Amino acid sequence: GEKVEQHESTLSVREGDSAVINCTYTDTASSYFPWYKQEAGKSLHFVIDIRSNVDRKQSQRLTVLLDKKAKRFSLHITATQPEDSAIYFCAASRGYNQGKLIFGQGTKLSIKP
Amino acid sequence: GPKVLQIPSHQIIDMGQMVTLNCDPVSNHLYFYWYKQILGQQMEFLVNFYNGKVMEKSKLFKDQFSVERPDGSYFTLKIQPTALEDSAVYFCASSLEGLGISYEQYFGPGTRLTVL
Repeated sequence: GEKVEQHESTLSVREGDSAVINCTYTDTASSYFPWYKQEAGKSLHFVIDIRSNVDRKQSQRLTVLLDKKAKRFSLHITATQPEDSAIYFCAASRGYNQGKLIFGQGTKLSIKP
Repeated sequence: GPKVLQIPSHQIIDMGQMVTLNCDPVSNHLYFYWYKQILGQQMEFLVNFYNGKVMEKSKLFKDQFSVERPDGSYFTLKIQPTALEDSAVYFCASSLEGLGISYEQYFGPGTRLTVL
């Protein structure tokens, strides 16, 4: 079945440094790739997304890269801040009929002072 | 921003009982979803719902599960009867309608279901 693998289960970076979280997917029909952030005890909060018609999207300190050939996408956070600490989930969808999201396992990002 | 509400936040019931989880989606959204997250594991899709019908369901959406949204009220997930393995946090989500374009899914805070 369709799978999304999130490679880093935990990631620790120093405040101000960059963080990168990598995901791969198996379904070649995937065309929509959102990222969500989950703080302890809270729900998922949308962070950024990318569609398969582009290979890069930036929003302030966040950049998503998509490599369709390798079926890989990544979230880059620059100038990390303590409030970036959370669990980040990548997901993939076929992008039609508002299809289901297939989630990765999550990456716990810790920002050290 | 837009919010999805879920009621109750916690529910504890005995195995074999029926439970209904309620979701109040974003007001102009037309697609609705349920996801299940067992503690420490990834979120897994259960079902999505549009125009009064189930569009797609996963193998986790057992025969004991049902969804409905009568007359634009709450979008509900009913489990009857419950089993121990149904213990999890259930997240509701909603999104806008779009032809051939996926829109952001907005997630509720979750209902923690404990089946004893």
